[in-house]
Amino acid sequence: EAQVTQNPRYLITVTGKKLTVTCSQNMNHEYMSWYRQDPGLGLRQIYYSMNVEVTDKGDVPEGYKVSRKEKRNFPLILESPSPNQTSLYFCASSFQQGDLHEQYFGPGTRLTVT
Amino acid sequence: GENVEQHPSTLSVQEGDSAVIKCTYSDSASNYFPWYKQELGKRPQLIIDIRSNVGEKKDQRIAVTLNKTAKHFSLHITETQPEDSAVYFCAASPNTNAGKSTFGDGTTLTVKP
Repeated sequence: EAQVTQNPRYLITVTGKKLTVTCSQNMNHEYMSWYRQDPGLGLRQIYYSMNVEVTDKGDVPEGYKVSRKEKRNFPLILESPSPNQTSLYFCASSFQQGDLHEQYFGPGTRLTVT
Repeated sequence: GENVEQHPSTLSVQEGDSAVIKCTYSDSASNYFPWYKQELGKRPQLIIDIRSNVGEKKDQRIAVTLNKTAKHFSLHITETQPEDSAVYFCAASPNTNAGKSTFGDGTTLTVKP
């Protein structure tokens, strides 16, 4: 079964305490992305990765880091979280070949920074 | 960078009517335009997409149209059903491999039985 998993699903933390949200996919997709979703603002891309060791900034990368050491994993790192990073985070993976394009999102991680 | 505007922000229709959601984009390098459906409390799902070499694409009750000259694209849902109620997002990407992508702010569609 095609799956994108994220952990944790819910997290409440304090300002400045480093945290990592993991993302894993079992479809051997080359592309993976992180988005944050805030009310009225849709989804905004944080970072994306085209393959192992290849990452690039999305529209809102400030305050976040990513790494892609293995094809299946794409963790999101907040070195020093701040309250304005309180949001719902989605990881996604995708594949394209010719006219076939598939994309799957993870279940989301709700982060609260106090 | 790319800017995607989506209208309307809310849309209410009667069951069986059609619904149209419109998006405009700013970057002429964008050539891939997906649409997503997000039900309340769920993750987004890719429901249909269109590439710049195609003007229209249809999948059962949903269709997308693209006008590259005017830089706008639209989602059309015919014969709406209550289960179509959700938030719909458009997006634009400068390549067909879902690398960098910019989303619209979403349209909340309510289909009244």
